[in-house]
Amino acid sequence: EIVVTQSPATLSLSPGERATLSCRASQNVNSSLAWYQQKPGQAPRLLIYGASNRATGIPARFSGSGSGTDFTLTISSLEPEDFVVYYCQQRSVWPPTFGQGTKLEI
Amino acid sequence: EVQLVESGGGLVQPGGSLRLSCAASGFSFDTFWMTWVRQAPGKGLEWVANIKHDGSEKYYVASVKGRFTISRDNAKNSLYVQMNSLRAEDTAVYYCARDRGRGYDLWGRGTLVTVSS
Repeated sequence: EIVVTQSPATLSLSPGERATLSCRASQNVNSSLAWYQQKPGQAPRLLIYGASNRATGIPARFSGSGSGTDFTLTISSLEPEDFVVYYCQQRSVWPPTFGQGTKLEI
Repeated sequence: EVQLVESGGGLVQPGGSLRLSCAASGFSFDTFWMTWVRQAPGKGLEWVANIKHDGSEKYYVASVKGRFTISRDNAKNSLYVQMNSLRAEDTAVYYCARDRGRGYDLWGRGTLVTVSS
């Protein structure tokens, strides 16, 4: 099973700042990586698929990069509603596995 | 409206059984792989099982294999998971999700399963 590790566990920033979230897979997953956002009490929402493609309706301030084992989610200028939890998921090797999440806090 | 709605959660004793349902609407249910993902209280996301659009392939995470059975009824636009021999560690919110092959692009609101005596 591929282990997916997200860092940091918690990221403290202010609105308007740039956020950089990391995701590392224990084996090569090529570009089969997705990012999700989860607000309190809600289901996750797909942000990025294929490592760098924004899902439908996702604002342009969200971008993804990376391939192989190291990936990054960047939020260019934080809005108040962005301070929630983010998960990455590798989809290359069965079973698909999620990282433990990064909490973005003000 | 395009949506998924889960039901069937509740309180069950260890060793008991529960069947969760997920009703799909607003899209061609029979053309998508479907997935169950769970989230224990205060914890992260865990993939549980998925099923091919025609039901011919099913896969499970190791911790539920032999205890959970995923199924679907395309005529009813519904996804199911039969959960037997439930354990305390199965306590979680269970989400059904549509798999577009590149990510889960549609999620239900989830249904809470609590396994406790």
